[in-house]
Parts: sequence; C-alpha cells; structure tokens
Amino acid sequence: DIQMTQSPSSLSASVGDRVTITCRATQSISSHLNWYQQEPGKAPNLLIYAASSLQSGVPSRFSGSGSGTDFTLTINSLQPEDFATYFCQQGHSTPYTFGQGTKLEIK
Amino acid sequence: QVQLQESGPGLIKPSETLSLTCSVSGGSVTSGSYYWNWIRQAPGQGLEWIGNIYYSGRTQYNPSLKSRLTISLDTSKKQVSLRLTSVTAADTAIYYCAREHTTGYNWFDPWGQGTLVSVSS
Repeated sequence: DIQMTQSPSSLSASVGDRVTITCRATQSISSHLNWYQQEPGKAPNLLIYAASSLQSGVPSRFSGSGSGTDFTLTINSLQPEDFATYFCQQGHSTPYTFGQGTKLEIK
Repeated sequence: QVQLQESGPGLIKPSETLSLTCSVSGGSVTSGSYYWNWIRQAPGQGLEWIGNIYYSGRTQYNPSLKSRLTISLDTSKKQVSLRLTSVTAADTAIYYCAREHTTGYNWFDPWGQGTLVSVSS
C-alpha cells in the first residue's frame, strides 16, 4: 500500500495568514493527489484534485502543487471558515489511502 | 446535483453482520465515469478506504477488509450497499459513501453525510 504522510499534524494560524500543508507519498504517484477539507461533524469536501486543479466552487485562495512524492496545499489569506482539518489522498492505485490529517486552528 | 444518503442500524453487536445502504439521487449510477465508494472514519481518527463498485458490477476492496466485505449496486433502486461480516469494536466508525470520478485521475466528490455505526454488546 502507498502510505501518505502529512505535516504538520496541527497548525495554529491567524486570519489573513498564509499557510502551507505538505503531503508525502512512499512512492511516486505522479499527480494523483487530492485534498479535502473536513469541518467538525461534517463529511470531507473536495478542494483540489489531480494535485493542482481547483474544484468548482472552491475559493481561489486554495491552491495545490507537486508531483511524484511531494505535494503541498497552500491557503492564502486565511478566512474564519478555513479553520478545519485537511486530508490528502492518493488516487494512484487501490487501496486508496489518506494522510492522517492536519488540524488548522485559530491562533 | 448528485446527492448521497447513507442509512444503517446505528448500533450492532460484535460478531454480527453490518449492512449499510447509500441512496443516490439527482444523477445516474450507470455512468461509466464513476465508481461508487465506501469510506470510513473511526471516532477522532483518519479516513480509511473500504472499497468500491462500478456500474458493471466490478468491485475493488481494501485487502484489510476483503475477507469480510461485499459491496453491491442495485441500479433500479439507485442504491449502493455494503455488507461487512463478523464485526468487532474496531469497525466502529462513521461510514461514508462517495462518488469517485475516474477520468484519468480519480477523486471523491460528492460525499454523503455519513452514518455512525457503533459495535457494542
């Protein structure tokens, strides 16, 4: 199985900050990497697919980059509604696997 | 707009068989562009992919669950079902169904709201 490791596991930031979350795969997954946001008590919501494609309806302050084994999710100018948990997921091969999550908290 | 809604027993005893249903509305389950997936999340934990099914009936299962798992698709009812045998406390989780886009790249969207399953005697 491909293991996905996110860092950091938690992050404190302020409204207006720029934050970056990283995700690393144990083998090359090309650009088969997706990012999800999960608010407490809700299902995950797709933000970015294929490493850098912004899902329709997602604000442009979210962006993704990377290929191979190393990927990043960047959020520019944090808004109050962005404080949530973020997961990466590889769609390269089954069993599909997720990172352990990064909890973004208000400083 | 496609919507997914999971339903299930809520509470189940150890060693019993878990049966869940995902009802799909607002779209077709027979499109060749999608797989239909089950994903679970133990309380306070990360996400685990369980398996999926294509409209043709082809299934893919997580090897960690394969011996206990059956996923099926009723196209006439537009329902995706999960059956997991011999459950233990480790199967306690929120179970989500999700549509997987499979057009070169694969991603999950949308997701259902999830249904909590607790395994306890």
